[in-house]
Amino acid sequence: ETGVTQTPRHLVMGMTNKKSLKCEQHLGHNAMYWYKQSAKKPLELMFVYNFKEQTENNSVPSRFSPECPNSSHLFLHLHTLQPEDSALYLCASSQEPHAGLVLKSTGELFFGEGSRLTVL
Amino acid sequence: GESVGLHLPTLSVQEGDNSIINCAYSNSASDYFIWYKQESGKGPQFIIDIRSNMDKRQGQRVTVLLNKTVKHLSLQIAATQPGDSAVYFCAENKEGQGGSEKLVFGKGTKLTVNP
Repeated sequence: ETGVTQTPRHLVMGMTNKKSLKCEQHLGHNAMYWYKQSAKKPLELMFVYNFKEQTENNSVPSRFSPECPNSSHLFLHLHTLQPEDSALYLCASSQEPHAGLVLKSTGELFFGEGSRLTVL
Repeated sequence: GESVGLHLPTLSVQEGDNSIINCAYSNSASDYFIWYKQESGKGPQFIIDIRSNMDKRQGQRVTVLLNKTVKHLSLQIAATQPGDSAVYFCAENKEGQGGSEKLVFGKGTKLTVNP
C-alpha cells in the first residue's frame, strides 16, 4: 500500500468513448503526476500539478485532459483515444518544498498501481 | 530524446549472488539520480538516490555508484533474493517547464532471480 490509489485498475474502451481515470493520494502531498508506461518504452511524464496548478504539460495530445480539483485528487479524462494510447497510466505524488508553480522535485515519487487502458 | 538509458534489458542471477544493474546518461549537467523498482502489477517504488557531489551511497543491501567521468550509474544488490525480481529503472532530475524539475526515466532492466 503506497498511499496512492488509482481506479479503475483496468479499462477497455472504444475510440469514441469518454472515460476518466481517477487518482487519490492519502499522503498529504502537494504535487501529483500522470505518467504513461508503454511496453518497451521509458516512463513518459504527461502532466504535473503542484498545489493544484499545472506546472508541466509534456506535449500531450488534447484527447487527454487532466483535472486536479484539490491536492489529493487527480483525474485524467479520456476521449476519442487511439489504439496506440493503450498503456499503463500511472499516477504519482510527492511532497515538494516549494509552493507555487516552480516545482523542485526531491525525486521521491510515490506511485499508484496504475490503470491498464486498452483502446479498441 | 531521452538522455537516460540502460546497458542491458534483462539480467538473470542466482539467489544469493550479487546483482549489478547499469545505467548510462548523456547529460553531464545532471546532478541528481534515482533508482526505482517495479514489481509485476505494481507501480515503481523508490529505492535509493544519489547527488552528483557523491560517488557512492549505500542503503540496505543496495549500493548506488556514480561515475561522472564516463556518465555511468550502477545499482548493486547484495545477496539477491527472489523478492528482488522486478524491473529496475534509473532516472535523473532534469529541468522542465518554467524552471521546474522533472524525472526522466530510462527503459528499465528486468532482473530475474533464480532459486
